[in-house]
Amino acid sequence: GQQVMQIPQYQHVQEGEDFTTYCNSSTTLSNIQWYKQRPGGHPVFLIQLVKSGEVKKQKRLTFQFGEAKKNSSLHITATQTTDVGTYFCAGLSSTGFQKLVFGTGTRLLVSP
Amino acid sequence: KAGVTQTPRYLIKTRGQQVTLSCSPISGHRSVSWYQQTPGQGLQFLFEYFSETQRNKGNFPGRFSGRQFSNSRSEMNVSTLELGDSALYLCASSSEGPNQPQHFGDGTRLSIL
Repeated sequence: GQQVMQIPQYQHVQEGEDFTTYCNSSTTLSNIQWYKQRPGGHPVFLIQLVKSGEVKKQKRLTFQFGEAKKNSSLHITATQTTDVGTYFCAGLSSTGFQKLVFGTGTRLLVSP
Repeated sequence: KAGVTQTPRYLIKTRGQQVTLSCSPISGHRSVSWYQQTPGQGLQFLFEYFSETQRNKGNFPGRFSGRQFSNSRSEMNVSTLELGDSALYLCASSSEGPNQPQHFGDGTRLSIL
């Protein structure tokens, strides 16, 4: 079945450093969504990418969807302590069952 | 607009028992999905309901079942509980389905003793 992997599994940065998490799907995706889950909280939707090669920005966050629509990345510039949490990508397969498959997640810790 | 409401927030059960969890979606949302979240397995898709019909199902045993009512509220039931069922169960709603942003509830933390 469809699998979505994320790397790294965990990253610890100093406040002000940049951070990137990568998401790779075993199948072509029709779209990809990104979520953030704070410790003790629930996943919160950040953004959805639909087009091949799409790039979207939200303040310090930059999201990319690969040309082949099988991978994606989230880059945070100049991290802040408020960025702490686990970032998940979630892919919707372009064929077969329409269900979101969540990536394994990248846990980000930011030290002041 | 009220968010997704899940009840109860915490539940402790013993092996062999059964449990029912409830989810009230955002008003107007017709799609409700359920996920199991564990430290080792991440977020695993259980099933999705839309207009009272199960539209998709994940790879979970038949002990896991669900339903959706005409007001879009959803319940999931787990029978013959096992230790491995201990997890955070999250419900997410959207207006039409998984191709749209999912709005999650706070989840039900289920512990099996």
